[in-house]
Order: sequence, then C-alpha cells, then structure tokens
Amino acid sequence: DGGITQSPKYLFRKEGQNVTLSCEQNLNHDAMYWYRQDPGQGLRLIYYSQIVNDFQKGDIAEGYSVSREKKESFPLTVTSAQKNPTAFYLCASSIRQGTDPPPLHFGNGTRLTVT
Amino acid sequence: GENVEQHPSTLSVQEGDSAVIKCTYSDSASNYFPWYKQELGKRPQLIIDIRSNVGEKKDQRIAVTLNKTAKHFSLHITETQPEDSAVYFCAASIAASGTYKYIFGTGTRLKVLA
Repeated sequence: DGGITQSPKYLFRKEGQNVTLSCEQNLNHDAMYWYRQDPGQGLRLIYYSQIVNDFQKGDIAEGYSVSREKKESFPLTVTSAQKNPTAFYLCASSIRQGTDPPPLHFGNGTRLTVT
Repeated sequence: GENVEQHPSTLSVQEGDSAVIKCTYSDSASNYFPWYKQELGKRPQLIIDIRSNVGEKKDQRIAVTLNKTAKHFSLHITETQPEDSAVYFCAASIAASGTYKYIFGTGTRLKVLA
C-alpha cells in the first residue's frame, strides 16, 4: 500500500530484548525516515537517511539504531537502552531532495509493545 | 529549539460547518508546510501542502494559508463531513546537513458530528 511496506503490523517483545522493525520501499525514493508516534505528542523524528550508507540522528535517537545498506531498505532497531519503547513507529520516504523539500510518504506503521 | 505548535488539540464541529486548525513554527528558514490526515490505526496521508512563496492554496473543501511574517499557517476545511473525522498534523521543513527533516505538530483530533 503506497509503496512503503512496514512489517510486522504488531510486534510484542519482552523488556531487555532488542527488536528490529522492517521498512521497505519500491518507490525509488532516496530519503527515508523513522518517526515515533505517542498519544498527544505527534510524530517525533528518530533517524533519517538521505542516501545509502549515510544517516543522521533525529530528535529522539537515543536507544535506537539504523542501517541503510540498500536504497530500498531502512530497518530500525529498538535496543534495550530505549527507556519507553512501546509506541507506534512510522517509516516514511521521499524523492531526492533538491532545492525544494518534497512531501513524505508514510508506511502503515508498526505498533510495538514491550512488556 | 525547532518546534511546531498546533492548536487546538481537539475540535468538534457540526456537519456542514467549517473547521480551522492553526500551527506556528519557530525556524524562519522553513519553506515547506504539509498537512497530513491520519485515520485511526492508519498511516498519515498528505492532504495539502504549501510552499513559502505562496500565501494561500485551495483544493476543493480544503485550504491552507501561510503568514511568513508571523510564522504561522492554518488548515481550513469547509462544509465538513463525517468522513473528515480524523487526526490532522501540520509540519514544517527544517534544513539540516544538506538535507531536510520535517518537524510535526502534536496533532488535532477533529470530530464531525452528524
């Protein structure tokens, strides 16, 4: 749906375990993003990547890690260092960014519950 | 720091009435302002956007206005319908390390009462 696939839709983990969320896009987009969504707090940026093998920390990167080995894929690992990992995670992508910022296209999200 | 403030957090209107959601941004260099609609359990979807060289943009029942001097922009929905009920997010682009990132507001839950 929309060319961005996030899997799984629901994910349950025990506290202390690392977990990796998948994000794949077939839109040939260069830039990819990870956002976290909590009730009443909107979308907060975790990490973003403009090109393969390069990524930058967003506003709440602590306790998360990413990789960008392929243009189509931008997996997010939620580590045990993340204090409050339970949230709805959204992956997004956009075309190559020139002088004008392009719109973001979102995946359907993964709801992670850690107990 | 960079932020986008959005008001109100909840908004209830009667079907057929208009709804207005307002956002302010902090970075005067921001030049792109999209609005997203998110239905329960679904992904945010772009409904309209505006760039800093334009003061207003309209698409059928939806319009967005931008005041660069005051650093605020607003979403206007006219003739609201029950299917307009959703959470709406505004966002502003921020230039960062040769690329752009996007800062989102905290969302407005719109309820259209039939």
